Amino acid sequence: DVKVTQSSRYLVKRTGEKVFLECVQDMDHENMFWYRQDPGLGLRLIYFSYDVKMKEKGDIPEGYSVSREKKERFSLILESASTNQTSMYLCASSPSTQPYSPLHFGNGTRLTVT
Amino acid sequence: GQSLEQPSEVTAVEGAIVQINCTYQTSGFYGLSWYQQHDGGAPTFLSYNALDGLEETGRFSSFLSRSDSYGYLLLQELQMKDSASYFCAVRDQYGGATNKLIFGTGTLLAVQP
Repeated sequence: DVKVTQSSRYLVKRTGEKVFLECVQDMDHENMFWYRQDPGLGLRLIYFSYDVKMKEKGDIPEGYSVSREKKERFSLILESASTNQTSMYLCASSPSTQPYSPLHFGNGTRLTVT
Repeated sequence: GQSLEQPSEVTAVEGAIVQINCTYQTSGFYGLSWYQQHDGGAPTFLSYNALDGLEETGRFSSFLSRSDSYGYLLLQELQMKDSASYFCAVRDQYGGATNKLIFGTGTLLAVQP
């Protein structure tokens, strides 16, 4: 089974802090994704990466950056956390860019910015 | 713009059949997927439809009509454990470097005894 592990289940940070959310997958998948999940808004794509050191903006990249230095690890960075970034963050990976290729999600990190 | 619409909530009783609809409007279309997410858990993949028609996997079936930009997830013989949120998702580009899966807002299914 594919395992996508997010480093923290719950995180509380202060406004203005730099926040790192870490994600590791163990199946040598090419593609990795960061989504944000908010009630009534579904899952919205923040950034994705289709290879090491490659990244593409999703639908809501503002206020975020990402890093992919190794194939198995994809980090989401909040440069200066704000209260409107309080959310559930979901990392996912998939083996290919083919349309039928499913996403495998981690259990999420619930971030609260105070 | 790109959008997927689903009902926000559906309630049904154990043993019944329920249908969760999804209509989409996207710039490209390369298949409709469904994901299940239990409260506090990770979304998990259920099904994928690339062509028109019904795909069956056990108690769950998924249908697609590309001409109507419409699909649905059909759950039969409902069980309490089916209580979860269900998301439809559309792949808006085929392969390549950009590979976005766009999700709907989700349907919360409550199965009652």
